[in-house]
Amino acid sequence: GQQLNQSPQSMFIQEGEDVSMNCTSSSIFNTWLWYKQDPGEGPVLLIALYKAGELTSNGRLTAQFGITRKDSFLNISASIPSDVGIYFCAGREAGGTSYGKLTFGQGTILTVHP
Amino acid sequence: DGGITQSPKYLFRKEGQNVTLSCEQNLNHDAMYWYRQDPGQGLRLIYYSQIVNDFQKGDIAEGYSVSREKKESFPLTVTSAQKNPTAFYLCASSIEGRRAQYFGPGTRLLVL
Repeated sequence: GQQLNQSPQSMFIQEGEDVSMNCTSSSIFNTWLWYKQDPGEGPVLLIALYKAGELTSNGRLTAQFGITRKDSFLNISASIPSDVGIYFCAGREAGGTSYGKLTFGQGTILTVHP
Repeated sequence: DGGITQSPKYLFRKEGQNVTLSCEQNLNHDAMYWYRQDPGQGLRLIYYSQIVNDFQKGDIAEGYSVSREKKESFPLTVTSAQKNPTAFYLCASSIEGRRAQYFGPGTRLLVL
């Protein structure tokens, strides 16, 4: 079945640094979603992308829907300690079922050192 | 405030027992979903419902059952047939199937 390749698997950065992570798929997607999950909590939607080339910001977060429709990127600028958590991407394959099954990446674990 | 609530936060199951996890949303969303999250694995879809009184199996439906009698509610029952129920269970909803899904806070199920 469809799989998403999310990288990196983990990141250790200093407070104030910028962060970049990405997801790639083997087929064309029509939706990319980025979530953040804290331990023991449900994922929180950060950014939703629905068009190829779309670039959307949410505060210090910026995400892009790749023009090939097979990838997406999430950038975090000027990281702060509360950015710590697991970030994962999810995508919906073009031409898929009407209920819109999501495929999830394995997540990027972000650690921010003060 | 609109959102998704799940209860309880922690649930303990004895051998041979059925347990029901609650999921309620006041977002007026048509579609609702149940996922299972295990350490080191991505989210896996158990069941989904696009509309009241209709639901479909996801990728790992064996040992689980659901109902969708009201738009706001989508309870999940973990039956005794589910031999490895220990996991973090997440409920989600979306305005319709092709839009972003929003997640609840989760229920952690443990087996005694």
